[in-house]
Amino acid sequence: DADVTQTPRNRITKTGKRIMLECSQTKGHDRMYWYRQDPGLGLRLIYYSFDVKDINKGEISDGYSVSRQAQAKFSLSLESAIPNQTALYFCATSDKGSRGDTQYFGPGTRLTVL
Amino acid sequence: AQKITQTQPGMFVQEKEAVTLDCTYDTSDQSYGLFWYKQPSSGEMIFLIYQGSYDEQNATEGRYSLNFQKARKSANLVISASQLGDSAMYFCAMRGVSGGSYIPTFGRGTSLIVHP
Repeated sequence: DADVTQTPRNRITKTGKRIMLECSQTKGHDRMYWYRQDPGLGLRLIYYSFDVKDINKGEISDGYSVSRQAQAKFSLSLESAIPNQTALYFCATSDKGSRGDTQYFGPGTRLTVL
Repeated sequence: AQKITQTQPGMFVQEKEAVTLDCTYDTSDQSYGLFWYKQPSSGEMIFLIYQGSYDEQNATEGRYSLNFQKARKSANLVISASQLGDSAMYFCAMRGVSGGSYIPTFGRGTSLIVHP
């Protein structure tokens, strides 16, 4: 079984809809992250959480919110989706102090906003 | 602010040959980590190798090695004996240890194609 799972894997929605992307991990890591990937731009950090009570904005948090429901669960919400939020979204986890806080990624969610 | 630059949008290599993917970085931190990830066409991000800024030896993981030149601020990935399955996008990344630099920064990636 995968250590970091994301649901759904693919989603097509319409402008203005609320969308939630979910991430679960069995790695036992405290730290979790949400990224988006756009063609030619690499990965950009949306939000990150170093423990259940810690939530931080990343580089591009506008239009997104997150919830850390438990150590193993971190969800990303788009309150009112817009077409330029069409992207590949990744959840990642890391273990503080382990190999420079190396991040391990989920399989990604392809989101299309029409 | 820290920055990662990957200047090669695309690289081609013959199967069984070695290839070097370039990565330069910029940071004001004295302590930082450098990472390489592989993204095959299926889309997942696979961790390949890590180098700490204070590590004296270059990191190696199987056929992957990281050519770390601190003075030049470069962290090139070397893949030896290329295989067809190495065809993918490769991303260089870094994170520092202080304030905003703790947010990981990724380069824009290099597409590698391995020819038979």
